[in-house]
Amino acid sequence: DAKTTQPNSMESNEEEPVHLPCNHSTISGTDYIHWYRQLPSQGPEYVIHGLTSNVNNRMASLAIAEDRKSSTLILHRATLRDAAVYYCILPGAGSYQLTFGKGTKLSVIP
Amino acid sequence: NAGVMQNPRHLVRRRGQEARLRCSPMKGHSHVYWYRQLPEEGLKFMVYLQKENIIDESGMPKERFSAEFPKEGPSILRIQQVVRGDSAAYFCASSQNWGGTEQETQYFGPGTRLLVL
Repeated sequence: DAKTTQPNSMESNEEEPVHLPCNHSTISGTDYIHWYRQLPSQGPEYVIHGLTSNVNNRMASLAIAEDRKSSTLILHRATLRDAAVYYCILPGAGSYQLTFGKGTKLSVIP
Repeated sequence: NAGVMQNPRHLVRRRGQEARLRCSPMKGHSHVYWYRQLPEEGLKFMVYLQKENIIDESGMPKERFSAEFPKEGPSILRIQQVVRGDSAAYFCASSQNWGGTEQETQYFGPGTRLLVL
């Protein structure tokens, strides 16, 4: 699996946008970029994934750099329920093993 | 559509006892994965199963751990003769299918928190 680097923690004010960065400089051409999050005492929850183009869904947006060496998960309006650890994962083509690193712990301030 | 279900949510065992963890995948999903999360660590892949088949158990400890996904019923992760180091959260995930270059999304259950006394 390609290695990913994320900040250990970030803070955001409630109802403000949050940009969570992820560096993956060793990404290969067929690697999808996945984001999961884990709320306290819960299982991981799928957020979004993409390959080359920016992606949007009801939870978030994923902005992928043109060279694909980095990506950013965007939460458009942070709520208290978004406080979680966010993981950027590149499983590798044909791989089903998700490797969870330390992720970014997002705190949302009321 | 019910999500992935795991039971029990909490399990306490004494050293040497057996632990059985159950996972019912989402409706229509035939692929099951088990992960373990030790305290203060990220999730680690253990095993990948399809109905009646173990596809990849490369993340499973060689001894005392086994997994199955029978034709009928939930997937079972079994830990024999538990030790304190087995204390962890065990998560099950399921996906609809697997193939091609786009990895299928894995949906996770709430986990079973095993405490070995």
